[in-house]
Amino acid sequence: DTAVSQTPKYLVTQMGNDKSIKCEQNLGHDTMYWYKQDSKKFLKIMFSYNNKELIINETVPNRFSPKSPDKAHLNLHINSLELGDSAVYFCASSPPNGIYGYTFGSGTRLTVV
Amino acid sequence: QKEVEQNSGPLSVPEGAIASLNCTYSDQGSQSFFWYRQYSGKSPELIMFIYSNGDKEDGRFTAQLNKASQYVSLLIRDSQPSDSATYLCAVSGAGSYQLTFGKGTKLSVIP
Repeated sequence: DTAVSQTPKYLVTQMGNDKSIKCEQNLGHDTMYWYKQDSKKFLKIMFSYNNKELIINETVPNRFSPKSPDKAHLNLHINSLELGDSAVYFCASSPPNGIYGYTFGSGTRLTVV
Repeated sequence: QKEVEQNSGPLSVPEGAIASLNCTYSDQGSQSFFWYRQYSGKSPELIMFIYSNGDKEDGRFTAQLNKASQYVSLLIRDSQPSDSATYLCAVSGAGSYQLTFGKGTKLSVIP
């Protein structure tokens, strides 16, 4: 049973399109995150939700909109995709306060052409 | 702004040697420290966490923390080719959910 699952694993799309990435965790964690990993492998936080409530919203374009229908799911919708959005997007989850670290999903490699 | 610094490497060590990976952080209030391993094309995997000054050992891995120097390290004893990966240092502050990651150190273990 996959603890944190993301779909799709790969996403190739044209500039200007809108796309969504879905994430689900079955660990019972309260907190979920979206991270972006660029071509230089730098992991940067985008958003964090605690029990469906947005708690971290880093400086990302407002074309990116997270949604958490319940504490086990966190989706990421991206409007008007740009070439610079190409990256690997990781979903992660953690117990309260993240004191035991995160469990990451397998990632979604987004390529905008 | 909180920063976590790592030498990007690559760090090459022969099989069986000790690999030493280092990390410094800027936020004096940081409380929790993590080491993740990331194989190429895979997601980060937690291998160690440490909260208190000193050493913490888990099998071939030892994490070392010195809060006064704002320094955390990871030692890998008896390095194996399967240890070849990028190692990410991550830090969180008091009561914070957010992990700030370093850019990672690429380790190559040469057979």
